[in-house]
Amino acid sequence: NAGVTQTPKFQVLKTGQSMTLQCAQDMNHEYMSWYRQDPGMGLRLIHYSVGAGITDQGEVPNGYNVSRSTTEDFPLRLLSAAPSQTSVYFCASSYGVEETQYFGPGTRLLVL
Amino acid sequence: AQTVTQSQPEMSVQEAETVTLSCTYDTSESDYYLFWYKQPPSRQMILVIRQEAYKQQNATENRFSVNFQKAAKSFSLKISDSQLGDAAMYFCAYRIGRDDKIIFGKGTRLHILP
Repeated sequence: NAGVTQTPKFQVLKTGQSMTLQCAQDMNHEYMSWYRQDPGMGLRLIHYSVGAGITDQGEVPNGYNVSRSTTEDFPLRLLSAAPSQTSVYFCASSYGVEETQYFGPGTRLLVL
Repeated sequence: AQTVTQSQPEMSVQEAETVTLSCTYDTSESDYYLFWYKQPPSRQMILVIRQEAYKQQNATENRFSVNFQKAAKSFSLKISDSQLGDAAMYFCAYRIGRDDKIIFGKGTRLHILP
């Protein structure tokens, strides 16, 4: 098993550009989520999904879109990048939200 | 609003000693789950220990144990016989039973002194 994979590992964007952060898992987990990690702020939930076709907002959803067309994939889209979105992004998955979450290695995003 | 508070931004402990990291949370729910995650310099998030609120017995995993005080809404992590590999950021997190969100604290950076 590859576990949870994220691509790219690092990305530089200009303000206003769009991009998609990819997340995939091969553990047949129903629950998937996206977090951003900023210094002194811990991890904040952006969006989450309890299964294919179902998504919902977390604490800081503005500026981000998600979709869940398959159990395996949960991409995060930035429609118009802003410097405030400079952060490290983590994707996580688990069988259920009360179960152990497995995290991806993270994507470091820099928006200029 | 649901919150998780880790009041110690940084802590240091001598190798082989014991250290306790504190965590408090705010909820009016009775059914919830609590977690401690470790984030070493590699940035990978690793589950350390998990506690169900309905269980009175404190969870333990080898050198890691928790002191769960439900009435006080406190969930501290004790690391015994600290090792250099324990140096990391530690995050406390919780999820209430009827919600699908997990809320994290801001973390405690733990230094191990040789």
